[in-house]
Amino acid sequence: DVKVTQSSRYLVKRTGEKVFLECVQDMDHENMFWYRQDPGLGLRLIYFSYDVKMKEKGDIPEGYSVSREKKERFSLILESASTNQTSMYLCASNTRGVADTQYFGPGTRLTVL
Amino acid sequence: AQTVTQSQPEMSVQEAETVTLSCTYDTSENNYYLFWYKQPPSRQMILVIRQEAYKQQNATENRFSVNFQKAAKSFSLKISDSQLGDTAMYFCAFMDYNTDKLIFGTGTRLQVFP
Repeated sequence: DVKVTQSSRYLVKRTGEKVFLECVQDMDHENMFWYRQDPGLGLRLIYFSYDVKMKEKGDIPEGYSVSREKKERFSLILESASTNQTSMYLCASNTRGVADTQYFGPGTRLTVL
Repeated sequence: AQTVTQSQPEMSVQEAETVTLSCTYDTSENNYYLFWYKQPPSRQMILVIRQEAYKQQNATENRFSVNFQKAAKSFSLKISDSQLGDTAMYFCAFMDYNTDKLIFGTGTRLQVFP
């Protein structure tokens, strides 16, 4: 079974803090994705990576950065957390180039106070 | 740019009944893929069903089937013999043939009542 894990299920941070969300997949997938999920807005793509050290901006990259130093790990970084970044963050991965379904992690619910 | 629209924010159905969730999309592409994902309360998002646009036959997975109308750009999900475990948020998603990225609709929350 494909497994995508995220470092925390729930996280509470203060405004201005630097926040790291980590995602690990065990299926040797080339592609990894970070989404945020908000009620009424569905899932919106923040960043994705199609290979180690490669990244592309998604639809809402402002206020976020990412890091992919190893194939199995994709980190989302909030350089200076703000209250409008309170949300559910979902990580996903899939095989590159074959229109593979995306496999999702359990999500991290981040609250910024 | 592609868009996906789910016009039903919430739906409910009684156990054992059939329910249909609607999804429309907009694209100028000819080759693409469509997905329905299910997100149960506090649980992981999982794939329900997938349809390749070049296939005329509607996809089916056990109690789940789709009605894919390419000309109308419509992709509805039918759940037959609804079960309590079908209670979840359902997302319709579009994938362009040339990318591996998904574009999601806003979701439909389905409640199955005993």
